[in-house]
Amino acid sequence: EAGVTQSPTHLIKTRGQQATLRCSPISGHTSVYWYQQALGLGLQFLLWYDEGEERNRGNFPPRFSGRQFPNYSSELNVNALELEDSALYLCASRQRPTAPYGYTFGSGTRLTVV
Amino acid sequence: QQQVKQSPQSLIVQKGGISIINCAYENTAFDYFPWYQQFPGKGPALLIAIRPDVSEKKEGRFTISFNKSAKQFSLHIMDSQPGDSATYFCAARSGNQFYFGTGTSLTVIP
Repeated sequence: EAGVTQSPTHLIKTRGQQATLRCSPISGHTSVYWYQQALGLGLQFLLWYDEGEERNRGNFPPRFSGRQFPNYSSELNVNALELEDSALYLCASRQRPTAPYGYTFGSGTRLTVV
Repeated sequence: QQQVKQSPQSLIVQKGGISIINCAYENTAFDYFPWYQQFPGKGPALLIAIRPDVSEKKEGRFTISFNKSAKQFSLHIMDSQPGDSATYFCAARSGNQFYFGTGTSLTVIP
């Protein structure tokens, strides 16, 4: 069974540009979660999508947005990039919101803003 | 506001020793407590988890101890090995969302 896949692995952008990160969940998983892992700050919750809808978002500005497609894959968009957006962005999936176990994470996209 | 507080931030243990990482929480609605292990360049992977109706869960060299009244739980790694060197995150679930600790960087010295 393929795990959660994220692309690209690395992304370098200039301040002010837009970044698009992609995530494919495990087959059969309908929930997708996005986290930002900045150095020394642990995992900060960004967004949760389920069945194509945004269900919850963390304490991040509106320039962080995303969507979930009919095949349950997801996209995270970060507009007007700032230097402090440099981080590892992790996507996780779960079979359904009420599944008894934890997330399965992808390997992440390392975003560097210069 | 950090919903789950984790300590220490970093930990160095000799091979064969016991590694102990602690987490504390306030939200009594949390009903599931997993630990994740993350190696450099990889995403976190589920290591072991416990529910609040159990005081201890053991899987191989990894044990979770859970103290519901104190709202604390800890990960014990027995006979720590260099291959255990990684970052460990505790987490807690409320409803459909997980809240993570800030992570502990464990280094096991040969």
